Amino acid sequence: GAVVSQHPSWVICKSGTSVKIECRSLDFQATTMFWYRQFPKQSLMLMATSNEGSKATYEQGVEKDKFLINHASLTLSTLTVTSAHPEDSSFYICSARDFSNSNQPQHFGDGTRLSIL
Amino acid sequence: GQQLNQSPQSMFIQEGEDVSMNCTSSSIFNTWLWYKQDPGEGPVLLIALYKAGELTSNGRLTAQFGITRKDSFLNISASIPSDVGIYFCAGQQSYSGGGADGLTFGKGTHLIIQP
Repeated sequence: GAVVSQHPSWVICKSGTSVKIECRSLDFQATTMFWYRQFPKQSLMLMATSNEGSKATYEQGVEKDKFLINHASLTLSTLTVTSAHPEDSSFYICSARDFSNSNQPQHFGDGTRLSIL
Repeated sequence: GQQLNQSPQSMFIQEGEDVSMNCTSSSIFNTWLWYKQDPGEGPVLLIALYKAGELTSNGRLTAQFGITRKDSFLNISASIPSDVGIYFCAGQQSYSGGGADGLTFGKGTHLIIQP
């Protein structure tokens, strides 16, 4: 079945650091990937839609200059949290769908836990 | 923005009992999905529903897509210890699971099974 891989799974860094998270579709091509954020004991909230070869679409309230998204190939999207601060600490999860099968729902990666000190 | 109201927030049950949870929305979704999330992991798809009124089963799990497209329920029969986790409903505007729009999630139902 469709597999989505995220890397790293856990990051601890100092305030002001920029952190890059990778999301890969391992056995299918994904023209569209999605980035979600989940705070402790809360639900997943869609941050942005990553489109291969074009600009990402951000949800209301999500700063595009803060959360840089690059979808340079059909199997890789990256999310860079720039100048991270403690309030950016969260669980970041990506999802992707197999664009060759329109009925396939989104499959999620295992998430990246980001802790900013 | 759109919101999904999921209930109950948590359930404490005995092993072997049946479980029922539901989601409602103020707006229409054309696809409903149910996911399970274990601690520190991403959500895993349980059931996908694409047609209003559709009733779908996956082993001990059964889910229905409401006729109005504004609600869905998930039932788990004869619960076992590995059913413990957080269950999320999710809605999507697209008519198939493969749409180019993201998912709107409910707040989750935390299932706890007492020995």
